[in-house]
Amino acid sequence: EAGVTQSPTHLIKTRGQQATLRCSPISGHTSVYWYQQALGLGLQFLLWYDEGEERNRGNFPPRFSGRQFPNYSSELNVNALELEDSALYLCASILGSVRDTDTQYFGPGTRLTVL
Amino acid sequence: GNSVTQMEGPVTLSEEAFLTINCTYTATGYPSLFWYVQYPGEGLQLLLKATKADDKGSNKGFEATYRKETTSFHLEKGSVQVSDSAVYFCALKPSGGSNYKLTFGKGTLLTVNP
Repeated sequence: EAGVTQSPTHLIKTRGQQATLRCSPISGHTSVYWYQQALGLGLQFLLWYDEGEERNRGNFPPRFSGRQFPNYSSELNVNALELEDSALYLCASILGSVRDTDTQYFGPGTRLTVL
Repeated sequence: GNSVTQMEGPVTLSEEAFLTINCTYTATGYPSLFWYVQYPGEGLQLLLKATKADDKGSNKGFEATYRKETTSFHLEKGSVQVSDSAVYFCALKPSGGSNYKLTFGKGTLLTVNP
């Protein structure tokens, strides 16, 4: 069974540009979570999508947004990039949000560098 | 709110030494508890989990027991290997409700020397 995939592996942008990161969940999983892992800050929850809807977002500005497509893949968009957006962005999927014991499975991440 | 506190690193051990990484949590009810491992340059991999009090999660020689009375989920391994060098994250997922996001500890860097 294929795991969670993310693309691109690395992304280099300059300040003010926009970045688009993509995530494909494990087949059959309908819920996708995005996390930011910035140096020294640990893992911070960004966004949660389930069945195509945004269900929750973390403490991030509106320039962090995303969507989930009918095939349950997801896209994270970061507008007006700032230097402090440089981080590893991790996507995770679970089978469905209604199951209390579901485990989140993580992809390898996209390393975003803002110059 | 929910929080996870894990011991500050880095932790440096010799091969075959005993490992303990402490993790305590704050949450209402009975959250699910997880240990994830991140090898250099990679994403997170689930190491083990426990979903109710007194459950013991185990995998690859690692163990952790869900202790409700001490709100702890300490990670242990009897004999570490060089290949165990990685960052270890303790995490919780709240029980019930509709918010399933994970709350992570800050991570503990483990280095095992030959």
